[in-house]
Amino acid sequence: GQNIDQPTEMTATEGAIVQINCTYQTSGFNGLFWYQQHAGEAPTFLSYNVLDGLEEKGRFSSFLSRSKGYSYLLLKELQMKDSASYLCAVRGDTNAGKSTFGDGTTLTVKP
Amino acid sequence: DTEVTQTPKHLVMGMTNKKSLKCEQHMGHRAMYWYKQKAKKPPELMFVYSYEKLSINESVPSRFSPECPNSSLLNLHLHALQPEDSALYLCASSQGTGAVYGYTFGSGTRLTVV
Repeated sequence: GQNIDQPTEMTATEGAIVQINCTYQTSGFNGLFWYQQHAGEAPTFLSYNVLDGLEEKGRFSSFLSRSKGYSYLLLKELQMKDSASYLCAVRGDTNAGKSTFGDGTTLTVKP
Repeated sequence: DTEVTQTPKHLVMGMTNKKSLKCEQHMGHRAMYWYKQKAKKPPELMFVYSYEKLSINESVPSRFSPECPNSSLLNLHLHALQPEDSALYLCASSQGTGAVYGYTFGSGTRLTVV
């Protein structure tokens, strides 16, 4: 089975840096995704990691350690529009397209 | 065109009604998905279509019936639903089912069963 853990809520200040952690225990591993979801909207794809290390994409970076079953999403220079839910999703032991989502971390950015 | 389009955006139906949700993409993606999302919960996979064939059914009740008429369209037929089926239904697509492909989600259909 799949078990994915993220903090439920986080708060940060505009202009700051925030790190959202995700730990997972899965029967197999074919990659980890981060999605952003604003309230009432669909999730949007942010990043994908399958090898250990850091992937940087503008203000957002994502890190993966497969041996530790651990990932984080790093958001720099926070903006008010970054207030959203951030979903960690793991692709398991098949290539069948299925991703299992964590419960999401609700990030609130304050002025 | 980089979008997944879902219709309708909102749907209210009675427990004896039959309705259909529609999803369309013109990105040439060969995998399409139906997810169900309850409030403050993550999306839960219902069905996966790969090259227009059903590849995953996550033990979804038969009152939900998916259909993939062609590579651009995905339908979800609804019949005799229960109030607990009220949720946001998300369609997604990806280039393939291989691990490297992230999803492009549609904006969803918010379904209320009365």
